[in-house]
Amino acid sequence: KAGVTQTPRYLIKTRGQQVTLSCSPISGHRSVSWYQQTPGQGLQFLFEYFSETQRNKGNFPGRFSGRQFSNSRSEMNVSTLELGDSALYLCASSLDRGAEAFFGQGTRLTVV
Amino acid sequence: QQQVKQSPQSLIVQKGGISIINCAYENTAFDYFPWYQQFPGKGPALLIAIRPDVSEKKEGRFTISFNKSAKQFSLHIMDSQPGDSATYFCAASRGLTGGGNKLTFGTGTQLKVEL
Repeated sequence: KAGVTQTPRYLIKTRGQQVTLSCSPISGHRSVSWYQQTPGQGLQFLFEYFSETQRNKGNFPGRFSGRQFSNSRSEMNVSTLELGDSALYLCASSLDRGAEAFFGQGTRLTVV
Repeated sequence: QQQVKQSPQSLIVQKGGISIINCAYENTAFDYFPWYQQFPGKGPALLIAIRPDVSEKKEGRFTISFNKSAKQFSLHIMDSQPGDSATYFCAASRGLTGGGNKLTFGTGTQLKVEL
């Protein structure tokens, strides 16, 4: 059974640009959550999607947005990139509410 | 507001020893407590998890101890091996009580197992 797949693995963007990250969850999983990991702030929750609806949202500015498609694949978008957005962005998939969460390898975003 | 406090920040253990990492939480609505292991350049991997209706869960060399009244839980790694050297995160969520699958993470513990 394939795990959680995130693309791309690495990304370098310029300040002010926007970026879209992709996540394919484990087959059959309907919940996809996104996290930002930085050395200073640790692992912080961005948002969760379940059956194409945003179910939870963390404390991030509106520049961070996401969506989920009917096949459960999810995308995360960050507009007007700032240097502080440089981080490892992780996607986790779960079968349902309260179920185990499995993480992908992450996308390493560097903003220059 | 840090809702899950993890200690120690770093830990050095001799091969064959016991590694112990502790976490404390504030939100009594949390109903699911997983531990994750992360190697450099990789995403966190689920190790073991527990729900508040049990006080201990063991899987191989990994054991979670849970103290609901103290709002604390800990990870014990028995017979620690050099391959266990990684960063460990505790987490908590209230998935069964309406919180979805949002995980609140501790700050992580860097474990080094020496020969």
